[in-house]
Amino acid sequence: DAGVTQSPTHLIKTRGQQVTLRCSPKSGHDTVSWYQQALGQGPQFIFQYYEEEERQRGNFPDRFSGHQFPNYSSELNVNALLLGDSALYLCASSYNRNTEAFFGQGTRLTVV
Amino acid sequence: AQKVTQAQTEISVVEKEDVTLDCVYETRDTTYYLFWYKQPPSGELVFLIRRNSFDEQNEISGRYSWNFQKSTSSFNFTITASQVVDSAVYFCALSEVRGSYIPTFGRGTSLIVHP
Repeated sequence: DAGVTQSPTHLIKTRGQQVTLRCSPKSGHDTVSWYQQALGQGPQFIFQYYEEEERQRGNFPDRFSGHQFPNYSSELNVNALLLGDSALYLCASSYNRNTEAFFGQGTRLTVV
Repeated sequence: AQKVTQAQTEISVVEKEDVTLDCVYETRDTTYYLFWYKQPPSGELVFLIRRNSFDEQNEISGRYSWNFQKSTSSFNFTITASQVVDSAVYFCALSEVRGSYIPTFGRGTSLIVHP
């Protein structure tokens, strides 16, 4: 049973560019959440998708947007990249929102 | 607002020592969940345990044990007879029903186990 998979694993982008990160949830899971983890910090919640809609959103600007597809996979898009967006981006899936979440290995984004 | 404090930034021990990672939380909710996750260098957060606010029983799983005390708002994690493979960053997290179950993570404790 495949767990949560994310792609790509590493990415280098230039300031001002746009980036799309992808996530496939664990089999049987219908809820996908995205987190940003800066170096030396705990993960910060970006948003959560359920039934193809954004259900909850953390304190992140509109430059961060997402999408969930009918097969429950999800994308995170970040526009107008800033140097401060450099971080590990983690995707987590769960069955409904009140069960434990399983995390992928993350995408390490470096903005130069 | 919910808050999780992991005061220990880094702990260094020698293999076979016991080690306790502290977690103190703040919440106004009466129904909430507490979690521990392990993050090895690969980056993936590995789920270790979830405990709801109505279950204060301590739990033991192999070399791991957890002590939940509502009176002190703490949910501490002990590794007995530590091993080099336990080296990782450990995160404590809290999710509230009123917060739609979105977890708030602590800043993590880096555990280094030396051979």
